[in-house]
Amino acid sequence: RKEVEQDPGPFNVPEGATVAFNCTYSNSASQSFFWYRQDCRKEPKLLMSVYSSGNEDGRFTAQLNRASQYISLLIRDSKLSDSATYLCVVKRDSNYQLIWGAGTKLIIKP
Amino acid sequence: NAGVTQTPKFQVLKTGQSMTLQCAQDMNHNSMYWYRQDPGMGLRLIYYSASEGTTDKGEVPNGYNVSRLNKREFSLRLESAAPSQTSVYFCASSSRGGGPPSGVGANVLTFGAGSRLTVL
Repeated sequence: RKEVEQDPGPFNVPEGATVAFNCTYSNSASQSFFWYRQDCRKEPKLLMSVYSSGNEDGRFTAQLNRASQYISLLIRDSKLSDSATYLCVVKRDSNYQLIWGAGTKLIIKP
Repeated sequence: NAGVTQTPKFQVLKTGQSMTLQCAQDMNHNSMYWYRQDPGMGLRLIYYSASEGTTDKGEVPNGYNVSRLNKREFSLRLESAAPSQTSVYFCASSSRGGGPPSGVGANVLTFGAGSRLTVL
């Protein structure tokens, strides 16, 4: 079992809709959580960090559920430009490494 | 502001050949990293350099060597390329103090555009 798991998708969503996807992690001691976005054939870029109380950045909302060991990303009023692969990233408690999920592909259709 | 620059963007090698991927950052970051990305898998850390003068193995270091030439530059070398090293390689940097990464800000990575390597 992978330490960080994501549904690979693709999620095909009409423009303007709301879409949400989760990421599960297996190490209960994980401390920090992030969502990165990666466009096709491009480098990953930080979308947002995920805080314990949940946080929002414009149309994007991130949530952390420690009891069930998952983080979620909600995108409201989706735009064509939101089409990308969303990477879930988890930092172990004392290890230097960031553990990356394989990503969820999102396709927004007009 | 260039950010993180890595070269080459594309390379085709034959099994057994050697090559070096170059990476430079102009953000005065202390830490630099080399990752590889393969289909259906998350990014995997090959090597990292927490600060100038130090390098450490990541998750998949076998078959690679690195050099932290100065604060700006961190190169990755394949001494004898194998087909299993066909991948997309990303260099990244982050702003943090000495020692292993810690804290939210330390884990915000800025990536280069990637290098696509094919080993035949």
